[in-house]
Amino acid sequence: DARVTQTPRHKVTEMGQEVTMRCQPILGHNTVFWYRQTMMQGLELLAYFRNRAPLDDSGMPKDRFSAEMPDATLATLKIQPSEPRDSAVYFCASGLRLLAGGPYEQYFGPGTRLTVT
Amino acid sequence: KNQVEQSPQSLIILEGKNCTLQCNYTVSPFSNLRWYKQDTGRGPVSLTIMTFSENTKSNGRYTATLDADTKQSSLHITASQLSDSASYICVVSATGANNLFFGTGTRLTVIP
Repeated sequence: DARVTQTPRHKVTEMGQEVTMRCQPILGHNTVFWYRQTMMQGLELLAYFRNRAPLDDSGMPKDRFSAEMPDATLATLKIQPSEPRDSAVYFCASGLRLLAGGPYEQYFGPGTRLTVT
Repeated sequence: KNQVEQSPQSLIILEGKNCTLQCNYTVSPFSNLRWYKQDTGRGPVSLTIMTFSENTKSNGRYTATLDADTKQSSLHITASQLSDSASYICVVSATGANNLFFGTGTRLTVIP
Protein backbone atom coordinates (compact mmCIF):
# COMPACT_ATOMS: atom_id res chain seq x y z
CA ASP A 1 0.00 0.00 0.00
CA ALA A 2 2.03 2.94 -1.33
CA ARG A 3 1.67 6.16 0.61
CA VAL A 4 3.40 9.46 1.22
CA THR A 5 5.32 9.58 4.47
CA GLN A 6 6.27 12.68 6.42
CA THR A 7 8.57 13.22 9.36
CA PRO A 8 8.37 14.38 12.02
CA ARG A 9 4.64 14.14 12.66
CA HIS A 10 4.84 16.75 15.39
CA LYS A 11 7.42 19.42 16.09
CA VAL A 12 7.52 21.98 18.88
CA THR A 13 10.30 24.52 18.70
CA GLU A 14 11.23 27.95 19.95
CA MET A 15 11.13 31.05 17.83
CA GLY A 16 14.36 31.52 15.92
CA GLN A 17 15.20 27.84 15.63
CA GLU A 18 15.62 26.03 12.34
CA VAL A 19 12.95 23.49 11.39
CA THR A 20 13.34 20.82 8.72
CA MET A 21 10.39 18.75 7.54
CA ARG A 22 10.86 15.71 5.35
CA CYS A 23 8.67 13.95 2.85
CA GLN A 24 9.05 10.67 1.02
CA PRO A 25 6.81 10.70 -2.07
CA ILE A 26 5.19 7.64 -3.56
CA LEU A 27 7.66 5.78 -5.77
CA GLY A 28 7.12 6.68 -9.40
CA HIS A 29 5.36 9.98 -8.75
CA ASN A 30 7.23 12.78 -10.48
CA THR A 31 5.60 15.76 -8.79
CA VAL A 32 5.78 16.83 -5.16
CA PHE A 33 3.73 19.58 -3.52
CA TRP A 34 4.15 21.33 -0.18
CA TYR A 35 1.07 22.82 1.50
CA ARG A 36 0.41 24.66 4.74
CA GLN A 37 -2.90 24.49 6.57
CA THR A 38 -4.12 26.75 9.38
CA MET A 39 -7.53 27.27 10.86
CA MET A 40 -7.61 30.87 9.65
CA GLN A 41 -6.25 30.44 6.12
CA GLY A 42 -7.15 26.88 5.25
CA LEU A 43 -4.90 25.09 2.75
CA GLU A 44 -2.23 27.07 0.92
CA LEU A 45 0.15 25.81 -1.74
CA LEU A 46 3.73 26.73 -0.82
CA ALA A 47 5.78 25.11 -3.58
CA TYR A 48 5.93 22.23 -5.97
CA PHE A 49 8.51 20.24 -7.87
CA ARG A 50 8.36 18.21 -11.04
CA ASN A 51 11.10 15.70 -11.74
CA ARG A 52 12.92 17.21 -8.73
CA ALA A 53 13.06 20.70 -10.28
CA PRO A 54 11.26 23.53 -8.48
CA LEU A 55 8.42 24.79 -10.71
CA ASP A 56 6.63 27.22 -8.48
CA ASP A 57 7.47 28.48 -5.02
CA SER A 58 5.53 31.73 -5.21
CA GLY A 59 3.43 30.76 -2.18
CA MET A 60 6.46 30.52 0.05
CA PRO A 61 8.02 33.35 2.10
CA LYS A 62 11.46 33.30 0.47
CA ASP A 63 13.33 35.01 3.24
CA ARG A 64 12.88 32.16 5.69
CA PHE A 65 11.49 29.16 3.79
CA SER A 66 13.34 26.90 1.41
CA ALA A 67 12.27 23.71 -0.35
CA GLU A 68 14.52 21.19 -1.99
CA MET A 69 14.37 17.75 -3.50
CA PRO A 70 17.84 16.25 -3.23
CA ASP A 71 16.73 12.97 -4.77
CA ALA A 72 13.57 11.31 -6.05
CA THR A 73 12.81 9.78 -2.66
CA LEU A 74 13.18 12.85 -0.47
CA ALA A 75 11.72 16.35 -0.39
CA THR A 76 12.52 18.82 2.37
CA LEU A 77 10.95 22.03 3.60
CA LYS A 78 13.10 24.16 5.84
CA ILE A 79 12.23 27.21 7.92
CA GLN A 80 15.07 29.34 9.25
CA PRO A 81 14.49 31.21 11.49
CA SER A 82 11.06 29.99 12.58
CA GLU A 83 8.42 32.37 13.91
CA PRO A 84 5.20 31.77 15.89
CA ARG A 85 3.13 32.64 12.80
CA ASP A 86 4.64 29.59 11.07
CA SER A 87 2.67 27.33 13.41
CA ALA A 88 0.52 25.18 11.14
CA VAL A 89 0.19 21.72 9.69
CA TYR A 90 2.48 21.21 6.72
CA PHE A 91 1.40 18.64 4.16
CA CYS A 92 3.40 17.04 1.41
CA ALA A 93 1.60 15.49 -1.54
CA SER A 94 2.98 13.52 -4.44
CA GLY A 95 1.29 13.50 -7.78
CA LEU A 96 0.83 11.70 -11.03
CA ARG A 97 -0.91 12.90 -14.21
CA LEU A 98 -4.01 10.84 -14.90
CA LEU A 99 -3.85 11.60 -18.62
CA ALA A 100 -1.28 13.40 -20.77
CA GLY A 101 -1.89 17.11 -20.32
CA GLY A 102 -4.53 16.45 -17.70
CA PRO A 103 -4.68 17.29 -14.00
CA TYR A 104 -2.52 15.66 -11.37
CA GLU A 105 -3.99 13.19 -8.95
CA GLN A 106 -2.47 14.12 -5.61
CA TYR A 107 -1.85 11.87 -2.66
CA PHE A 108 -1.33 13.64 0.64
CA GLY A 109 0.89 12.62 3.50
CA PRO A 110 -0.29 12.73 7.11
CA GLY A 111 1.27 16.14 7.72
CA THR A 112 3.73 17.64 10.18
CA ARG A 113 2.12 19.68 12.94
CA LEU A 114 4.51 22.51 13.74
CA THR A 115 4.22 24.67 16.84
CA VAL A 116 6.60 27.59 17.24
CA THR A 117 6.58 29.17 20.69
CA LYS B 1 -9.92 38.18 -8.17
CA ASN B 2 -9.69 34.39 -8.17
CA GLN B 3 -11.71 33.02 -5.29
CA VAL B 4 -13.40 29.85 -4.14
CA GLU B 5 -16.29 30.04 -1.70
CA GLN B 6 -17.90 27.08 0.00
CA SER B 7 -21.18 26.80 1.79
CA PRO B 8 -22.34 26.01 4.30
CA GLN B 9 -19.40 26.50 6.60
CA SER B 10 -20.64 23.63 8.76
CA LEU B 11 -23.44 21.13 8.59
CA ILE B 12 -24.90 18.55 10.95
CA ILE B 13 -27.08 15.77 9.54
CA LEU B 14 -28.58 12.51 10.74
CA GLU B 15 -27.04 9.25 9.67
CA GLY B 16 -28.72 7.92 6.55
CA LYS B 17 -29.76 11.33 5.24
CA ASN B 18 -28.50 12.97 2.09
CA CYS B 19 -26.76 16.32 1.90
CA THR B 20 -25.33 18.71 -0.67
CA LEU B 21 -22.31 20.95 -0.29
CA GLN B 22 -21.77 23.95 -2.51
CA CYS B 23 -18.70 25.50 -4.12
CA ASN B 24 -18.78 28.74 -6.12
CA TYR B 25 -15.67 30.04 -7.82
CA THR B 26 -14.46 32.98 -9.83
CA VAL B 27 -11.23 31.35 -11.01
CA SER B 28 -10.38 32.03 -14.62
CA PRO B 29 -9.26 30.57 -16.93
CA PHE B 30 -10.68 27.40 -15.44
CA SER B 31 -8.77 24.14 -15.68
CA ASN B 32 -10.26 21.68 -13.22
CA LEU B 33 -12.11 21.40 -9.93
CA ARG B 34 -11.41 18.92 -7.16
CA TRP B 35 -13.27 17.85 -4.07
CA TYR B 36 -11.26 16.54 -1.16
CA LYS B 37 -12.33 14.85 2.06
CA GLN B 38 -10.18 15.56 5.09
CA ASP B 39 -10.65 13.58 8.29
CA THR B 40 -9.52 15.26 11.50
CA GLY B 41 -5.77 14.94 11.90
CA ARG B 42 -5.25 13.44 8.45
CA GLY B 43 -4.25 14.68 5.03
CA PRO B 44 -6.90 15.42 2.38
CA VAL B 45 -8.03 12.56 0.17
CA SER B 46 -9.21 13.20 -3.36
CA LEU B 47 -12.85 12.36 -4.05
CA THR B 48 -13.31 13.70 -7.59
CA ILE B 49 -11.54 15.74 -10.23
CA MET B 50 -13.58 17.38 -12.99
CA THR B 51 -12.38 19.22 -16.07
CA PHE B 52 -14.28 21.75 -18.12
CA SER B 53 -16.08 19.17 -20.22
CA GLU B 54 -17.36 17.08 -17.32
CA ASN B 55 -20.55 18.02 -15.52
CA THR B 56 -20.94 15.08 -13.16
CA LYS B 57 -18.69 12.51 -11.61
CA SER B 58 -19.38 9.89 -8.97
CA ASN B 59 -17.24 8.11 -6.45
CA GLY B 60 -19.37 5.66 -4.51
CA ARG B 61 -21.91 7.62 -2.49
CA TYR B 62 -20.30 10.91 -3.49
CA THR B 63 -21.49 12.68 -6.63
CA ALA B 64 -19.97 15.93 -7.78
CA THR B 65 -21.53 18.24 -10.34
CA LEU B 66 -19.98 21.11 -12.23
CA ASP B 67 -21.65 23.96 -14.08
CA ALA B 68 -18.82 25.79 -15.79
CA ASP B 69 -21.18 28.47 -17.09
CA THR B 70 -22.36 29.55 -13.65
CA LYS B 71 -19.05 28.55 -12.04
CA GLN B 72 -20.70 26.37 -9.47
CA SER B 73 -20.04 22.89 -8.20
CA SER B 74 -21.82 20.73 -5.69
CA LEU B 75 -20.93 17.58 -3.82
CA HIS B 76 -23.88 15.35 -3.00
CA ILE B 77 -23.53 12.68 -0.36
CA THR B 78 -26.11 9.93 -0.42
CA ALA B 79 -27.18 7.85 2.58
CA SER B 80 -24.65 9.46 4.90
CA GLN B 81 -22.59 7.39 7.30
CA LEU B 82 -20.83 8.34 10.51
CA SER B 83 -17.52 8.00 8.69
CA ASP B 84 -18.54 10.83 6.35
CA SER B 85 -17.90 13.24 9.22
CA ALA B 86 -15.01 15.32 7.91
CA SER B 87 -14.13 18.58 6.22
CA TYR B 88 -14.81 18.76 2.50
CA ILE B 89 -12.58 21.10 0.54
CA CYS B 90 -13.16 22.44 -2.97
CA VAL B 91 -10.03 23.32 -4.95
CA VAL B 92 -10.06 25.02 -8.36
CA SER B 93 -7.08 25.09 -10.73
CA ALA B 94 -6.45 27.83 -13.24
CA THR B 95 -5.15 26.92 -16.68
CA GLY B 96 -1.52 27.35 -17.52
CA ALA B 97 -0.38 29.12 -14.41
CA ASN B 98 -0.45 25.98 -12.27
CA ASN B 99 -2.31 27.99 -9.68
CA LEU B 100 -4.55 26.34 -7.16
CA PHE B 101 -7.32 28.18 -5.31
CA PHE B 102 -8.73 26.65 -2.17
CA GLY B 103 -12.06 26.94 -0.47
CA THR B 104 -12.08 27.07 3.31
CA GLY B 105 -14.09 23.88 3.49
CA THR B 106 -17.39 22.64 4.85
CA ARG B 107 -17.26 20.80 8.15
CA LEU B 108 -19.79 17.94 8.00
CA THR B 109 -20.87 16.10 11.13
CA VAL B 110 -23.03 13.01 10.80
CA ILE B 111 -24.80 12.04 14.00
CA PRO B 112 -26.51 8.73 14.83
